[in-house]
Order: sequence, then C-alpha cells, then structure tokens
Amino acid sequence: NAGVMQNPRHLVRRRGQEARLRCSPMKGHSHVYWYRQLPEEGLKFMVYLQKENIIDESGMPKERFSAEFPKEGPSILRIQQVVRGDSAAYFCASSFQGPRYEQYFGPGTRLTVT
Amino acid sequence: SQQGEEDPQALSIQEGENATMNCSYKTSINNLQWYRQNSGRGLVHLILIRSNEREKHSGRLRVTLDTSKKSSSLLITASRAADTASYFCATAPLFTGGGNKLTFGTGTQLKVEL
Repeated sequence: NAGVMQNPRHLVRRRGQEARLRCSPMKGHSHVYWYRQLPEEGLKFMVYLQKENIIDESGMPKERFSAEFPKEGPSILRIQQVVRGDSAAYFCASSFQGPRYEQYFGPGTRLTVT
Repeated sequence: SQQGEEDPQALSIQEGENATMNCSYKTSINNLQWYRQNSGRGLVHLILIRSNEREKHSGRLRVTLDTSKKSSSLLITASRAADTASYFCATAPLFTGGGNKLTFGTGTQLKVEL
C-alpha cells in the first residue's frame, strides 16, 4: 500500500511565477488536507477537501492560493504569482474517516521562492 | 497562547532516559493526537486519545489526558537515539461547527544523545 505521495519534493520558483503542488492520497482515503509549515514552526491548516468539493478553506490566504481535488487524479494546491513569503514546506495529508481522526502525511514539498 | 502548545520547546536527554512532553489546549475537544516529525520529513501519527479516556499506551509511549486541566502528556520510556524528532500534539474540536479540522501545536524538539 503506497502512502500519501507528493510531488515535486522540491520546487524553486522566481517571484511572480506559479507553483503547482500535487498530492495523491492513500488508497481508499477520500479526505485530503493541505498544511503549510514555516521553518521552526508547527503546521498551519490551509484547506480540507473531498472529491470535487472544498469543505473548509478557512486557512487559505484570500488571494493567489487555490486548491482542488478532482474526481480523477491528484489534489492540486496552486499558488499564483509567488512571493518570497510563500517559501515553506507544504504537506498534504489524507484520512479514511473525517478530519477529526488519524491523518497520514506525505513527505512534503519544499517551495523556495527566489 | 495557541490551541495546542507543547512544553518544553526543546528537550535533550541521554539514551535510556524517559522523555516527557506536555500539551495544553484551550477549547473542548473530541480527541487529542500526538505526531512525530523527523527532520525534513512528513508527520507520523503516534497515538489518539479520546476525550473520555484518561490514559493510553502504545509500545514505549504513554499518553495521559486531563480534560479538566485541558492538558495532555506524552511519555517516551527508555528513549533511543532514533526517537530524536519533533513531537506535535493536535486537537480535534468537540463540535464540527467549531472548525472541522485538527489544530497542531508548535512542537517539542527532542534530542536523544548516545
């Protein structure tokens, strides 16, 4: 059983470019979550999705950030016109039950904005 | 202070000693979970304790929960160098209307020296 997969593992973007981060949940999991982690800090919730639906996006910045989890394919976190402050590790997690239960994390994508 | 604050922020012990980390939170919870994060990696779920439970064991891990004090502790017995990692508590809200997601603390960095 493959775990949660994320790609790319490392992503370097110049200011103003777009970043696309992908996440494939564990087999059988329909709940997907995105978190951001700044250096030496804990995880900050960004968004919770189920297939084709955004359930909770209360942690998403209002501008430039969007997420989707289409019927087919991985979940995508998209950051438009990146700025240096977007540099962070972005983790995806999935769960079989809802968001109040065990979550399984991917290895993360480290985004560096130059 | 934030929901889910760990104490201490950093802990250094000798191999074979016990390590105790504490977590305090503010709101009513459905459950509390502990995760481990090795440097540069995703989080690994360790244990979940429900609000009606007081103590739970898993291998060398012992977790306690005191809902009257809104606090939890994680004890790692007979520590090993491989236990070196950051440890996070995460709280799940009692009511889904209160934000249907886990809230992570800032973590305790544990270093186990040989």
